[in-house]
Amino acid sequence: DAGVIQSPRHEVTEMGQEVTLRCKPISGHDYLFWYRQTMMRGLELLIYFNNNVPIDDSGMPEDRFSAKMPNASFSTLKIQPSEPRDSAVYFCASRNSLNTEAFFGQGTRLTVV
Amino acid sequence: ELKVEQNPLFLSMQEGKNYTIYCNYSTTSDRLYWYRQDPGKSLESLFVLLSNGAVKQEGRLMASLDTKARLSTLHITAAVHDLSATYFCAVDSRTSGSRLTFGEGTQLTVNP
Repeated sequence: DAGVIQSPRHEVTEMGQEVTLRCKPISGHDYLFWYRQTMMRGLELLIYFNNNVPIDDSGMPEDRFSAKMPNASFSTLKIQPSEPRDSAVYFCASRNSLNTEAFFGQGTRLTVV
Repeated sequence: ELKVEQNPLFLSMQEGKNYTIYCNYSTTSDRLYWYRQDPGKSLESLFVLLSNGAVKQEGRLMASLDTKARLSTLHITAAVHDLSATYFCAVDSRTSGSRLTFGEGTQLTVNP
């Protein structure tokens, strides 16, 4: 398996623009997580899905953030409109049961100028 | 709310020395995980600890779990430069759903 695949790897955008981050989990995994990592706040869980259904979105910082998982092999995290404080590395991770670790993608480094 | 705390947050050590990183968590946990992150890279799974008293070893790293004390340790033996990285512990429990809650991370630097 190729692992968790995220795209793009890097994104530079202007404030106010819409940004869409994409994730393909490992085949067969039924949990998908979106994390954000910054120096100031560390690793924060934004939202996670089980069997394509959002279970906990309490970490989503504002209404500007939304996430979807239309099928078992694809998820998106959208920020609209983007702001400079959204600059961070966004990781997607997946796992296949409660007794295994989560596997992380390579991350998307987002810079909002 | 489940809280996970690591200490120390920064650790600078000499090659050949031993040291331990500690991970405390606030509520009953079923499972604990250790990850490694190199600068600019993703997180790589190191250990999965699933029960009280579990001990796992890989090379110069050994992880253990004491669920009664709500404590996990990551012990480094005879450190080498290649171990320089940030190490995270993460916890999930039935009471917090299946979300993984991460500690702040311990930035380890091994000096020649």
